[in-house]
Amino acid sequence: GQQVMQIPQYQHVQEGEDFTTYCNSSTTLSNIQWYKQRPGGHPVFLIQLVKSGEVKKQKRLTFQFGEAKKNSSLHITATQTTDVGTYFCAKGTSGSRLTFGEGTQLTVNP
Amino acid sequence: DGGITQSPKYLFRKEGQNVTLSCEQNLNHDAMYWYRQDPGQGLRLIYYSQIVNDFQKGDIAEGYSVSREKKESFPLTVTSAQKNPTAFYLCASSMGQGSTEAFFGQGTRLTVV
Repeated sequence: GQQVMQIPQYQHVQEGEDFTTYCNSSTTLSNIQWYKQRPGGHPVFLIQLVKSGEVKKQKRLTFQFGEAKKNSSLHITATQTTDVGTYFCAKGTSGSRLTFGEGTQLTVNP
Repeated sequence: DGGITQSPKYLFRKEGQNVTLSCEQNLNHDAMYWYRQDPGQGLRLIYYSQIVNDFQKGDIAEGYSVSREKKESFPLTVTSAQKNPTAFYLCASSMGQGSTEAFFGQGTRLTVV
């Protein structure tokens, strides 16, 4: 299938440090979604980006969509232990297919 | 109380047996999805359905089957042809067209022994 590549696969940070995960596609994306899955839980929707160069913020989280709409990033400022989990990007298509990246697993040391 | 419900939460089966995982939603969503998640890995798309009586194969459909006879229900059957069925299975739904958020069920952890 047409995948989205996500890096890094794992990230360990000290509490208070920043964290960034990247999502890349070889094809132009119509939109990109971000989800968070806590350990033992299910993915929960965070945000959707649609426009080229779009930047959205949710408190300490900043989401960006590249100018070419082929990449996206999620940045967390000053991580907290509550940020622990796996962050996924997902690409949607007009045909309802929703494909997820492999995720970045974040651990935060207090 | 709106949402998407998967049952059971844990399921054990003997090798060679077919097993059906339930997924029900009362969100009036057109699209429904089944994903498989292996430990420490991402979500791989098994099947999805855009509308009642229609479904499409995802990236790893071999050994699985689905039906979409009702808008609210999208059961997944793991057949004996699936070579490595032990995994965490997640069902999701959305308004459709791949451009709206997906809501996930709590998941079913299937163990085949």
